[in-house]
Amino acid sequence: QKEVEQDPGPLSVPEGAIVSLNCTYSNSAFQYFMWYRQYSRKGPELLMYTYSSGNKEDGRFTAQVDKSSKYISLFIRDSQPSDSATYLCAMSARETSGSRLTFGEGTQLTVNP
Amino acid sequence: GAVVSQHPSRVICKSGTSVKIECRSLDFQATTMFWYRQFPKQSLMLMATSNEGSKATYEQGVEKDKFLINHTSLTLSTLTVTSAHPEDSSFYICSASSLVYEQYFGPGTRLTVT
Repeated sequence: QKEVEQDPGPLSVPEGAIVSLNCTYSNSAFQYFMWYRQYSRKGPELLMYTYSSGNKEDGRFTAQVDKSSKYISLFIRDSQPSDSATYLCAMSARETSGSRLTFGEGTQLTVNP
Repeated sequence: GAVVSQHPSRVICKSGTSVKIECRSLDFQATTMFWYRQFPKQSLMLMATSNEGSKATYEQGVEKDKFLINHTSLTLSTLTVTSAHPEDSSFYICSASSLVYEQYFGPGTRLTVT
C-alpha cells in the first residue's frame, strides 16, 4: 500500500467550476502538508503549505487537512484555463526544511474555456 | 523569493558519455538539496538528499556510482549521470530548502540519451 494515495484523474471541468482535489495517507506521523502545481515539462510550484489539521485560504485556493481521517483536500474556486496542470499533494513528518517529502501520484486537471 | 534554477534545461547525449546537471538556489542558502527523477505522467521519485559539505544520501535502488551528487556550496548542487544509457533518459528535478524555506523546485532538466 502506498503511503499517499491520489486519484490521477484525468479531471476535466468547465471554466468557473469549483475543483476538489484530494489525497489520503496512511502514515499518522505526517504533520506538514503541501500542494504543488506542475505544468507540463516544468518543475513543481508550491501552492499551499499547511501544518496539522485545519483550513488555509489563499485567493482562489483553499487547503484543508483532516488528520483524524488522514485526508487532505485542495479546492480551487472559479477555475480558469490557466489552472490546467497536474496537482501533486506532498507531506512530511518533520518541518520540510531538510526533510524528505512523500508525494501523491498527481491529479491531471483540465479546465475547459 | 525562493528561486531555484537548473542548467541545462534539456540535454541530448550519446550512450556511454557523462552529463552534469547544475542546481542553484538563487536568492537563499540551501542547507539541503534533493534530486528527483520523473517519468512521463508519474510522480516524483526521490533519488538522493544532499547536505552542503557532506556526502549525499541515496534512496534504495539508486546507484551512487552512476548518479554522482556534489553539494559543494550553500547555493549549488550537481548531479552527474555517468556512462549514460538510454534507460537513464528522464526528467530530472532538483529542489532546495533551508531553515527558513520549504522545498522549492527547479524547472527540471530533460535528459535524452541516444
